[in-house]
Amino acid sequence: EVQLVQSGAEVKKPGESLKISCKGSGYSFTKSWIGWVRQMPGKGLEWMGIIYPGDSDTRISPSFQGQVTISADKSISTAYLQWSSLKASDTAMYCCVMGTTLDYFDYWGQGTLVTVSS
Amino acid sequence: SYVLTQAPSVSVAPGQTARISCGGNNIGSKSVHWYQQKPGQAPVLVVCADSDRPSGIPERFSGSNSGSTATLTISRVEAGDEADYYCQVWDTNSDRCVFGGGTKLTVL
Repeated sequence: EVQLVQSGAEVKKPGESLKISCKGSGYSFTKSWIGWVRQMPGKGLEWMGIIYPGDSDTRISPSFQGQVTISADKSISTAYLQWSSLKASDTAMYCCVMGTTLDYFDYWGQGTLVTVSS
Repeated sequence: SYVLTQAPSVSVAPGQTARISCGGNNIGSKSVHWYQQKPGQAPVLVVCADSDRPSGIPERFSGSNSGSTATLTISRVEAGDEADYYCQVWDTNSDRCVFGGGTKLTVL
């Protein structure tokens, strides 16, 4: 059974750094794509970026380029989404997604709620 | 950049057919995928590659794609189908994923 298990909810202050995780199991982690989708409160889905852990090929949405870092540690089948300096506008639910091709996302994680507030 | 346009809402009575559209420039030349998101839950893939159904998705869900519009069709709508539905493509020109704005399906 494919599972994407994300780290728990986070509450941070503006300017703080954060790294959230997504552990994949039940499939070949190095032969699939894993990425991140943002959903702000009451809003739609926004694609942030995606990585192929097998060779670290990474694609980032221009909307998020320079704002976040996407990485993966294939030794522990875990992908990461990282911020160096959070803003209040980063408050959102972040879902990790997995696709056997780059085209679409077969599986979604349960989501990690990030709240940034002073 | 490539844009996908969806109507904000669609309403249908139980047992009827719901059609949710997704418009885009020459979208018929792209592969379109659809996700269902129920309140408080993560999205689920319900149709991929225009008209394929992943394992476990009821046959009531079907898709089509031609010209400038892709359509998700839900036959014999049930109360449990009430959700937000998003279309999605991978735009090879810009090498990025694009989501439509989502359509809220209300079952009357």
